[in-house]
Amino acid sequence: ETGVTQTPRHLVMGMTNKKSLKCEQHLGHNAMYWYKQSAKKPLELMFVYSLEERVENNSVPSRFSPECPNSSHLFLHLHTLQPEDSALYLCASSQMVGSNQPQHFGDGTRLSIL
Amino acid sequence: SQQGEEDPQALSIQEGENATMNCSYKTSINNLQWYRQNSGRGLVHLILIRSNEREKHSGRLRVTLDTSKKSSSLLITASRAADTASYFCATVVDTGFQKLVFGTGTRLLVSP
Repeated sequence: ETGVTQTPRHLVMGMTNKKSLKCEQHLGHNAMYWYKQSAKKPLELMFVYSLEERVENNSVPSRFSPECPNSSHLFLHLHTLQPEDSALYLCASSQMVGSNQPQHFGDGTRLSIL
Repeated sequence: SQQGEEDPQALSIQEGENATMNCSYKTSINNLQWYRQNSGRGLVHLILIRSNEREKHSGRLRVTLDTSKKSSSLLITASRAADTASYFCATVVDTGFQKLVFGTGTRLLVSP
């Protein structure tokens, strides 16, 4: 148990569907992150939130829309996705944004786009 | 952009043997972190070594850092089957915001 919970664990959707990924952290952290992990590629940072404010948008297509309603919850809203968006989506949190902060990861949502 | 590159990409050893994984990076760093990922799970932070440190230990883990060569190594001593996982190094890139950049990882298989 890492203190970061992601739901659902698996998601299969068509290209025209709209779905959301959810992340919840029970660690009292102030920073939350979305990463994309594709086979044989480095982990890609997508979004960063610090105290519910987005501080980084790493050139992510607009079909991915993050939402951070409070410091414990983070969502990733998905619409009109492409087959190349199939990947493992990982949420992470840290005490605060900064280079000396280890990040705590959830177990991810395995997303498959048909 | 700066990226940690792990070497080897895959490593297969027997239980009880030591496993060494290497990481090279391109620019100056504040610190370097190592993470482990079991199959189907998220990443778990193992150890952080600062740029002014040369070596750090945590249980069976030993991490070294050579800033002149821009490289780090992770040594797992007396490996166990439960150590089977992918191992990633992560360095910090400052783009006005400090973020971790991960390498592609080393897949370690420890056979009983």
